[in-house]
Amino acid sequence: DAKTTQPNSMESNEEEPVHLPCNHSTISGTDYIHWYRQLPSQGPEYVIHGLTSNVNNRMASLAIAEDRKSSTLILHRATLRDAAVYYCILRAITSGSRLTFGEGTQLTVNP
Amino acid sequence: ETGVTQSPTHLIKTRGQQVTLRCSSQSGHNTVSWYQQALGQGPQFIFQYYREEENGRGNFPPRFSGLQFPNYSSELNVNALELDDSALYLCASSSTQHRGTNTGELFFGEGSRLTVL
Repeated sequence: DAKTTQPNSMESNEEEPVHLPCNHSTISGTDYIHWYRQLPSQGPEYVIHGLTSNVNNRMASLAIAEDRKSSTLILHRATLRDAAVYYCILRAITSGSRLTFGEGTQLTVNP
Repeated sequence: ETGVTQSPTHLIKTRGQQVTLRCSSQSGHNTVSWYQQALGQGPQFIFQYYREEENGRGNFPPRFSGLQFPNYSSELNVNALELDDSALYLCASSSTQHRGTNTGELFFGEGSRLTVL
């Protein structure tokens, strides 16, 4: 599976936007970019995914670089409940429900 | 609430024992996958079950085995427990389409925390 690189940790203030970067220089043409997050003492939770175009949903936005070698998860207004580990994952169309998690980015939100 | 339930939530075993963990998948989902998450690390894929058969396996030894039942619920069995098996075991349910593709989101349970002494 192609690998992703994320910063170990990031910090934000409440009600400010947060941009979480992810590098995936070895992405293949059929890999989807998925983001999951894991709140303390919970299982991972789906956030968003995309292939080539930018995507928006009620939780976040996903900005994908034109060459697809990097992407950014955008939380428009961080809340204390957004404090979690955020995982950027490349998911091949043939991989089924196999997700390859890295170590993710620990997001701290300050009040 | 995801609808994926796991049991037990916590358990303690001793080295060499066997353990069975259970998972009820979300309504309408036909695929269950299991993950192991050691403390401070991301989850690691163990295997997935679709149509009651193992359909994809990660880098785990044969003493990790599973079952999927006709109602799509699943069990994870671990034999000959080792200290390193201490971890959070996560179950995820998803939907595999009739052509065998599975590209939708996974819904995870809250996990079963296993401690091996």
